[in-house]
Amino acid sequence: AQSVTQLGSHVSVSEGALVLLRCNYSSSVPPYLFWYVQYPNQGLQLLLKYTSAATLVKGINGFEAEFKKSETSFHLTKPSAHMSDAAEYFCAVTDRDDKIIFGKGTRLHILP
Amino acid sequence: DGGITQSPKYLFRKEGQNVTLSCEQNLNHDAMYWYRQDPGQGLRLIYYSQIVNDFQKGDIAEGYSVSREKKESFPLTVTSAQKNPTAFYLCASSIDIRSPLHFGNGTRLTVT
Repeated sequence: AQSVTQLGSHVSVSEGALVLLRCNYSSSVPPYLFWYVQYPNQGLQLLLKYTSAATLVKGINGFEAEFKKSETSFHLTKPSAHMSDAAEYFCAVTDRDDKIIFGKGTRLHILP
Repeated sequence: DGGITQSPKYLFRKEGQNVTLSCEQNLNHDAMYWYRQDPGQGLRLIYYSQIVNDFQKGDIAEGYSVSREKKESFPLTVTSAQKNPTAFYLCASSIDIRSPLHFGNGTRLTVT
């Protein structure tokens, strides 16, 4: 079965600095990959998805992610952090039977 | 506006009581899901349904039950057999099982 690993349960960056949230998946077969964001006491919202059309995927709020098959990675980046980006971010991948499996999440803190 | 409605937002129950969490969607989605979220553990799949009158167990189905009598509705019952029911419960839907998920805003259940 697929698994998803998010490196770092908490990440802190200064406002205006680069945001990098790491995600690695287990399968060698390119799956469907997603990043979601969750604000406190709310559900998750889709940031972006990879479906094999292009390796660099652009999402909402200035986020993007690059699919690297050789590294089985799908890291999320944003060039300049904003205070409103403080939230928890989840990487997700489709399993062999098409269920969506989530990573444990990374909480992003923005320092003023 | 289309979306997913979970009610209530907060729910308190005594140990030994069954409790039912509501989930309604007006997105005309075929697939619906229930996830449980605990701090630091990401989202874990409880049950999912791809079509009316059919549903499958997820990774942590023990102590839970569901029904799917209407396309719009997918209620979750937390039974007294669930050993640690206190958690944040998220309902989601999607066009099909490979498409991105749309989430409700969750129900926080506390059992004492």
